[in-house]
Amino acid sequence: QLQLQESGPGLVEPSETLSLTCTVSGGSITSSRYYYWDWIRQPPGKGLEWIGTIYYSGSTYYNPSLKSRVTISVDTSRNQFSLKLSSVTAADTAVYYCARRDTSSWNFDYWGQGTLVTVSS
Amino acid sequence: QTVVTQEPSFSVSPGGTVTLTCGLSSGSVSTSYYPSWYQQTPGQAPRTLIYSTNTRSSGVPDRFSGSILGNKAALTITGAQADDECDYYCVLYMGSGISAFGGGTKLTVL
Repeated sequence: QLQLQESGPGLVEPSETLSLTCTVSGGSITSSRYYYWDWIRQPPGKGLEWIGTIYYSGSTYYNPSLKSRVTISVDTSRNQFSLKLSSVTAADTAVYYCARRDTSSWNFDYWGQGTLVTVSS
Repeated sequence: QTVVTQEPSFSVSPGGTVTLTCGLSSGSVSTSYYPSWYQQTPGQAPRTLIYSTNTRSSGVPDRFSGSILGNKAALTITGAQADDECDYYCVLYMGSGISAFGGGTKLTVL
């Protein structure tokens, strides 16, 4: 059974860079060309927002509204992919989820449990 | 930038039928957008109900169904139950690897 687990600091200071890692177990990130690996966030009490994605080949696609501040990378040796969001403000406070997206249906079929990141000094 | 639209809230009586919709601020939703629907209860990650317009995810009861109604994607819940009271999100595939979430619908069963 595929599992995804987010990890990283729960508190980030304003103007700093938020860094999170998603560890994939029960399957390899590079085992199939049919999946993208995504980051999604949800501010407290608000809706879900797609942040961006990385393909096993390293190709990335980002939400246009966040593109200037987002970098997603993959470490195939550790079966992990990561998110960096720069110049954070209080508006970036959210639960951050990693997820797998199936390219045959564009469905987010597996999700991590989510991790709360608070931006505050 | 095109926005994915959903009703902010909806109410349904227990045992009743409700249809939630997912549209675009500009244009019509078609199967080419691969609409999917997710259910989220408080404190939990979303789970897939419907993908590719009308395919139920494994384990999802057939009370949930998806379709295209006019120029929108739709999620219909028949025989609403108390534990259907939660948030529902649609997602559209916008092309070039990009997906977009709707703002979500808070469903009340009363």
